[in-house]
Amino acid sequence: AQKVTQAQTEISVVEKEDVTLDCVYETRDTTYYLFWYKQPPSGELVFLIRRNSFDEQNEISGRYSWNFQKSTSSFNFTITASQVVDSAVYFCALRGSWAGSYQLTFGKGTKLSVIP
Amino acid sequence: DTGVSQDPRHKITKRGQNVTFRCDPISEHNRLYWYRQTLGQGPEFLTYFQNEAQLEKSRLLSDRFSAERPKGSFSTLEIQRTEQGDSAMYLCASSVSLGGKGPNYGYTFGSGTRLTVV
Repeated sequence: AQKVTQAQTEISVVEKEDVTLDCVYETRDTTYYLFWYKQPPSGELVFLIRRNSFDEQNEISGRYSWNFQKSTSSFNFTITASQVVDSAVYFCALRGSWAGSYQLTFGKGTKLSVIP
Repeated sequence: DTGVSQDPRHKITKRGQNVTFRCDPISEHNRLYWYRQTLGQGPEFLTYFQNEAQLEKSRLLSDRFSAERPKGSFSTLEIQRTEQGDSAMYLCASSVSLGGKGPNYGYTFGSGTRLTVV
């Protein structure tokens, strides 16, 4: 069985602060894919990043960065110099490589509020 | 192509009525998924199509739920004899193989249909 845990239910930060959203996953698959999605109040899930389990290089995209630690089964997401537009619910998700299964398993999400 | 489209955006129905939702995926995506999201929770997988074949169904998909993708393009999700517990956001997503790169190499979600059963 696969599981994604996002222990932080809600986080509030003041604009321009850095914030890290935690994600811990469980899977028996040796190859798997990890995702982060942003869900603004409008409801649409916006794709942020996909990480393959066999690629442990960390990634930076503008103010966003991701830290993949296979040893601790974590895939944390950091927003640098947060902005009000970053306010949303952020979901971490996992897809295994079991043949024929393409479903994503999501965490419960972390609601980020950036206060001006 | 403007992404995954879902219709309607909102649906209010009386308990016991049937409802049907539509999803139009990104045209070159051969895989289509339905998820359900309740308040304060992450999306939960319901079912998955590859072209017109329904290949995977969650145990969440009771016999009151049926999904189709008749020509491998758009899909419909029907809920018969709706119950108050069916109130949720129903999300559709589409994808291509994860082996490639590019803007659509992940899962692209639509804006969802919010169902309220009264």
